[in-house]
Amino acid sequence: SYELTQPLSVSVALGQTATINCGGSYIGSKSVHWYQQRPGQAPVLVIYRDNNRPSGIPERFSGSNSGNTATLTISRAQAGDEADYYCQVWDPSDVVFGGGTKLTVL
Amino acid sequence: QAQLVQSGAEVKKPGASVKISCKASGYTFIRYNIHWVRQAPGQRLEWMGWINPGDGNTKRSQKFQDRITITRDTSASTAFMELSSLRSEDTAVYYCARPLAGGDYVHWLDPWGQGTLVTVSS
Repeated sequence: SYELTQPLSVSVALGQTATINCGGSYIGSKSVHWYQQRPGQAPVLVIYRDNNRPSGIPERFSGSNSGNTATLTISRAQAGDEADYYCQVWDPSDVVFGGGTKLTVL
Repeated sequence: QAQLVQSGAEVKKPGASVKISCKASGYTFIRYNIHWVRQAPGQRLEWMGWINPGDGNTKRSQKFQDRITITRDTSASTAFMELSSLRSEDTAVYYCARPLAGGDYVHWLDPWGQGTLVTVSS
């Protein structure tokens, strides 16, 4: 089955740019989606189809996808961005999630 | 505004079954699939399957193929997920979620239900 690999944790200084990677074999050939999950809450979609933002998601959130790595970029990081972030793809037989990355805003 | 509201927390004994409901509002129920995703404590999100409320067709993860039943009641705009032969490893928060757009191959999910905690313990 297809596997997605994310770093366990990423730290970013307040106001700086955070990047969260999601690795997978030839992931650049797939559509990647990203979710934000704050403690005790349901996930929220922040990026879909590599680089599209749902309504209501700030422009500070952006995505890219190429080769074997997809990336979620959060510009001008705020305290409220502190959360777990999950990447997701559709493999021919399953919806697959990455292991999640805890973003800490310092 | 689309919204999904799930049934309340459950405590079950090993070997039992659990059935969770997911009531949709704010959109036309039959036009969007409903997915089920679970999250064990401290673990990643895990996809379980989906149902097309329009025709009742389902797709289930191979991992849960033998134990999961996904159904719907279109008159009540409600989807259901039943998991049988429960074991302690099934202790998790179970979410329903709707794709952002209609179609069987739209699998980016928003919104999500609030989650239902299922505890399996003897």
